[in-house]
Amino acid sequence: SAVISQKPSRDICQRGTSLTIQCQVDSQVTMMFWYRQQPGQSLTLIATANQGSEATYESGFVIDKFPISRPNLTFSTLTVSNLSPEDSSIYLCSVEEAETYEQYFGPGTRLTVT
Amino acid sequence: KQEVTQIPAALSVPEGENLVLNCSFTDSAIYNLQWFRQDPGKGLTSLLLIQSSQREQTSGRLNASLDKSSGRSTLYIAASQPGDSATYLCAVFLYGNNRLAFGKGNQVVVIP
Repeated sequence: SAVISQKPSRDICQRGTSLTIQCQVDSQVTMMFWYRQQPGQSLTLIATANQGSEATYESGFVIDKFPISRPNLTFSTLTVSNLSPEDSSIYLCSVEEAETYEQYFGPGTRLTVT
Repeated sequence: KQEVTQIPAALSVPEGENLVLNCSFTDSAIYNLQWFRQDPGKGLTSLLLIQSSQREQTSGRLNASLDKSSGRSTLYIAASQPGDSATYLCAVFLYGNNRLAFGKGNQVVVIP
């Protein structure tokens, strides 16, 4: 199974600023996923990041607000821009195993916007 | 659109009792179903993965069943312990759009 780390684990940011979250995997993976979990809610997929191509965003999420980088097969970043209190959530990255489609998640980044 | 429902939303049980958590989904065209555990403010830990061709999977005190035709899965946790207190999430992987659809979770408290 893949081991995933995220940085930072938590942060408190002021509105109008941006936060970049890093996701590192211990093995090469084709697809990486970014999710948001708002307080008391389940997970919502933000985008899928493939190495060498632009990320694919889900309905309701746009690149200007959530720019994503995927420079290689083990690393990705998600930036949450122009922060507002509504962005206060846990952000999680995940990868899937190619043969079984089993999903593995990072420990999450807890963002609070004041 | 695939809807995943988990019942009950929250439950408390005394230590030692068996836990039964239910998950239902509306579209049976799934590739697999996965159960996760989430501790407060943390990420997800994969507990069990059931492929669509399988009926159940077991790991230690955990057993998950899948009835794809009726759109149901059940997670059994035997002899619950306080350390089992967490939220348990069910997710189905969908054919076609290759996406995970999550339920809202079963929040479990095991009382010592």
